[in-house]
Amino acid sequence: AQTVTQSQPEMSVQEAETVTLSCTYDTSESDYYLFWYKQPPSRQMILVIRQEAYKQQNATENRFSVNFQKAAKSFSLKISDSQLGDAAMYFCAYRGSNNNDMRFGAGTRLTVKP
Amino acid sequence: DAGITQSPRHKVTETGTPVTLRCHQTENHRYMYWYRQDPGHGLRLIHYSYGVKDTDKGEVSDGYSVSRSKTEDFLLTLESATSSQTSVYFCAISASLTPLHFGNGTRLTVT
Repeated sequence: AQTVTQSQPEMSVQEAETVTLSCTYDTSESDYYLFWYKQPPSRQMILVIRQEAYKQQNATENRFSVNFQKAAKSFSLKISDSQLGDAAMYFCAYRGSNNNDMRFGAGTRLTVKP
Repeated sequence: DAGITQSPRHKVTETGTPVTLRCHQTENHRYMYWYRQDPGHGLRLIHYSYGVKDTDKGEVSDGYSVSRSKTEDFLLTLESATSSQTSVYFCAISASLTPLHFGNGTRLTVT
């Protein structure tokens, strides 16, 4: 079964600085999808960014970008110009192309210091 | 919230009682999911459905059953609740291979 590992239970960043959250995964599939979700204190799960494994170009959404290293099975999230509203739990997730369940990492709690 | 409603939002129940959580969608998506969220574990898949009356087990399915008699409704049942099932439960929906969209969660406490 596919596993997703987030090795940083907690991270902190100064407002306006850049932070990178790590994620690794284990799979034997060649085609799959990766996601980062944000969960603020409201408990709502919000999609931040997605990456298709067949695409070599790293996905970017405004201040959020990923570093996708397929051979290393690594999928890190970079947040630039951090804002107080970025404080949340961040979950990395994997979804294979041959099945339709999505597996999540344990999460990283991000604190943003003013 | 992509047209997903979970009910109830909060529930407290006693050990040994049956509990049913409901997920209702208005998006007509094929896939529906139940996850539980616990500190240190992230979200773990309980069961999912890929169509009416078509369901499959996830990684933590023991003690849970599901039913989907209509496209829009996916029910999660705890046949006999235990304290280890105290958790926050999320329903999610998706079309094929698209990101999951989540409901607002149900906080269940088993005393």
